[in-house]
Amino acid sequence: DIQMTQSPSTLSASVGDRVTITCRASQSISSWLAWYQQKPGKAPKLLIYKASSLESGVPSRFSGSGSGTEFTLTISSLQPDDFATYYCQHYNSYPWTFGQGTKVEIK
Amino acid sequence: EVQLVESGGGLVQPGGSLRLSCAASGFTVSSNYMSWVRQAPGKGLEWVSLIYNDGKTLYADSVKGRFTISRDSSKNTLSLQMNSLRAEDTAVYYCARVNWGRGMDVWGQGTTVTVSS
Repeated sequence: DIQMTQSPSTLSASVGDRVTITCRASQSISSWLAWYQQKPGKAPKLLIYKASSLESGVPSRFSGSGSGTEFTLTISSLQPDDFATYYCQHYNSYPWTFGQGTKVEIK
Repeated sequence: EVQLVESGGGLVQPGGSLRLSCAASGFTVSSNYMSWVRQAPGKGLEWVSLIYNDGKTLYADSVKGRFTISRDSSKNTLSLQMNSLRAEDTAVYYCARVNWGRGMDVWGQGTTVTVSS
């Protein structure tokens, strides 16, 4: 199985900060990577697909990059609505696996 | 509006069975790939199962042989039959539409399964 490792596990930041979350795959997944945002008690929401494509309706302050085994999710200017947990997920092969999550907290 | 609504969760004893349903609106379940994902209390997300539009099914090793994914075209629903339930199956179960090449783009609100005596 492909292991997905996110860092950091927790991130404290202020409104307006630029935030970067890293996701590493244990083997190459090409660009078959998605990023999701999840708020407490809610379902995950797709933000980024195919490593760098922005899902419709998602604010442009979110961006994704990377290929192979190293990927990043960047929020260019953190907004109050962005405090949540973020997960990466590969869909290169089965079983699909998620990273352990990165919680973005208010500093 | 494109929407998924899960039902069927509850409290079940170890070794018991439960059937989850996921009702879709705004799109056709049988024309799409559909998936189940679960989240144990305080934990991350775990992919559970997927059904292709041609009916082929896939499962995580942790549920293979115990869970069965299926769909009902007449009701436009997705189901997950869960047998031989274990304490470690306790989780919120989400159904999701798989937009191939894009990931899981539509999610239900989740239904809670608790396996305990």
